[in-house]
Amino acid sequence: AQTVTQSQPEMSVQEAETVTLSCTYDTSENNYYLFWYKQPPSRQMILVIRQEAYKQQNATENRFSVNFQKAAKSFSLKISDSQLGDTAMYFCAFMKIFGNEKLTFGTGTRLTIIP
Amino acid sequence: DAGVTQSPTHLIKTRGQQVTLRCSPKSGHDTVSWYQQALGQGPQFIFQYYEEEERQRGNFPDRFSGHQFPNYSSELNVNALLLGDSALYLCASSLTLDREVHEQYFGPGTRLTVT
Repeated sequence: AQTVTQSQPEMSVQEAETVTLSCTYDTSENNYYLFWYKQPPSRQMILVIRQEAYKQQNATENRFSVNFQKAAKSFSLKISDSQLGDTAMYFCAFMKIFGNEKLTFGTGTRLTIIP
Repeated sequence: DAGVTQSPTHLIKTRGQQVTLRCSPKSGHDTVSWYQQALGQGPQFIFQYYEEEERQRGNFPDRFSGHQFPNYSSELNVNALLLGDSALYLCASSLTLDREVHEQYFGPGTRLTVT
């Protein structure tokens, strides 16, 4: 079974600053995806970024980037030039590629951007 | 392009009652997954439907059952409601291609309160 751990229940940062959210996971699988989802107060879970484990290059999406360390089973999310709209719960999630398509989520990090 | 829709938005039920939640997937998607998100927690996988059959199931009792219709929409049924079933129920849709499931897109959820 896979487990996902987010050790930072809450974080806050000033607007325009950079913040990094941590995630570690445990799996015996070699092929998998990792995701960061954002859940604002509206409750809609929104995909922020995804990383395929077989890719060594870290994924980036505009102001969002990840630091994927496969050997260490670490998958952190960096948000640059943070904006008020980034305020939300952020969940790290794991998905096996073959034979098991469920998402396994961490417990989340509540991020507050301070004006 | 309509995204994933869920109904109702909110629901209040009494312990012991039965409830049905509904989900319409994003256009072009054929796979529906259901998740339960307790307050302050990450979503937990309930089950997944593809080709009108339950393909994967998480660690939930038989009181939780589902159905997928030929138009790919889905229902989640919970019998003999317990106070602990109070949660946000999320539906996610995706496309199964070549036996791989791709990114899951989430609906806004149904908030179920059991009194």
